[in-house]
Formats: sequence, C-alpha cells, structure tokens
Amino acid sequence: GESVGLHLPTLSVQEGDNSIINCAYSNSASDYFIWYKQESGKGPQFIIDIRSNMDKRQGQRVTVLLNKTVKHLSLQIAATQPGDSAVYFCAENRGNTGKLIFGQGTTLQVKP
Amino acid sequence: DSGVTQTPKHLITATGQRVTLRCSPRSGDLSVYWYQQSLDQGLQFLIQYYNGEERAKGNILERFSAQQFPDLHSELNLSSLELGDSALYFCASSPYQGANYGYTFGSGTRLTVV
Repeated sequence: GESVGLHLPTLSVQEGDNSIINCAYSNSASDYFIWYKQESGKGPQFIIDIRSNMDKRQGQRVTVLLNKTVKHLSLQIAATQPGDSAVYFCAENRGNTGKLIFGQGTTLQVKP
Repeated sequence: DSGVTQTPKHLITATGQRVTLRCSPRSGDLSVYWYQQSLDQGLQFLIQYYNGEERAKGNILERFSAQQFPDLHSELNLSSLELGDSALYFCASSPYQGANYGYTFGSGTRLTVV
C-alpha cells in the first residue's frame, strides 16, 4: 500500500553525538510533513513539522530538512540524550486531507 | 498527558468476539482519527470523523466501524475478531478537518485476540 519509507530500521548513537534519521517519500504532491517520536508504551508525540514551501525548519535541538528534488526528509537531533531513545516516524499529508501517511519507523538507540 | 483519552488501555478477548474502544479528544478538538499499529504494517489510518460526520476513510475492514457522538467522543467497534486484529489502536484528535497541522495522539489500546 502507499507509504512513506524509512532508510534504516535502527540507528545507534553515542550520547552527546548528533543523530540523523532519514525518510523518503513517494509522492511529489505531498505538501506537509511531520516527525513523530514514539516511546515504549506511549502514543506518537509530535516533534516538528515542515511544509513543502520550506527547505529547513528548526526547533529545540531538532532540525528537519526537506529536499523536494529527491523527495527526502531528514530529522537531525543535536547532542542526543538517553531520553531521545524511541522510534521515530515521518508522516506526510497531501492536500490537507485528514489522513497522515506514516513511514515504518526508525529506532534510535542512545548509548551512554 | 496528551489530553486525548483512550479506554481501555488493554483488552484481551477471544476470536469471534466484538469489542468497543473509546476515545475522548482534547478539549476543543473536533476531529478524531483512528489508527491501527501492528509490527508488520506500522501505523495505518483507519478513519476520521469531524464534528460527528465521517470525513476520510482508510483501509478499514468491513468488520470494523466507528462513530463520533454529539459530545465528540468516538468509539471504534471491532467485530468477528481474528488473531490478526491483535494490535495497538490509537486515537488522535485535532481542531481541524485537515491534517496539515498534525494531530495529538492518545496512549492507545492494546488489543490481544486469543
């Protein structure tokens, strides 16, 4: 079925390092993208979003980059902390419908 | 606490049975969305309601149905349950009809069919 794809299922980083989680999307008509974080036993939590008229957006310790030419989205986490350990999902929306299409998720493991 | 309340948190039932999952959206939110999360399928969109009316439908099985009530809470009914229906079911809410401000998820209901 339709999906937003993720390149790596698991990413392991050292505490204090920067993390980069990647995502490929398939439909050039997608115009809104979100990153969610899901900790064990919890629901997905909104981290940051970006619209297709932007290339980059920064939040607190996180940056999302959008490359429309190659249909690629990335989430950068600066100074990764143990509390960042979770599964990260990218999701896309097309035309402001109610549906978010989620990728399969990348597990981020932070080593102390 | 996200403000989206889902009950029950856990549910164990037998094949062939019917269950109802309940969701109360954040105060002021008019849209409710239901998602199924299984290990092999990730987060799959099931259905959206906005202010009591169905607005969008995903790959929801005919054995599944949902509704949104006048007080805006929503229920997802799953019937003739099969082992493959075992999954996490998430509800999310937002103030808008569209998704391009994102949604807020609840903590989910874990359904186990035995």
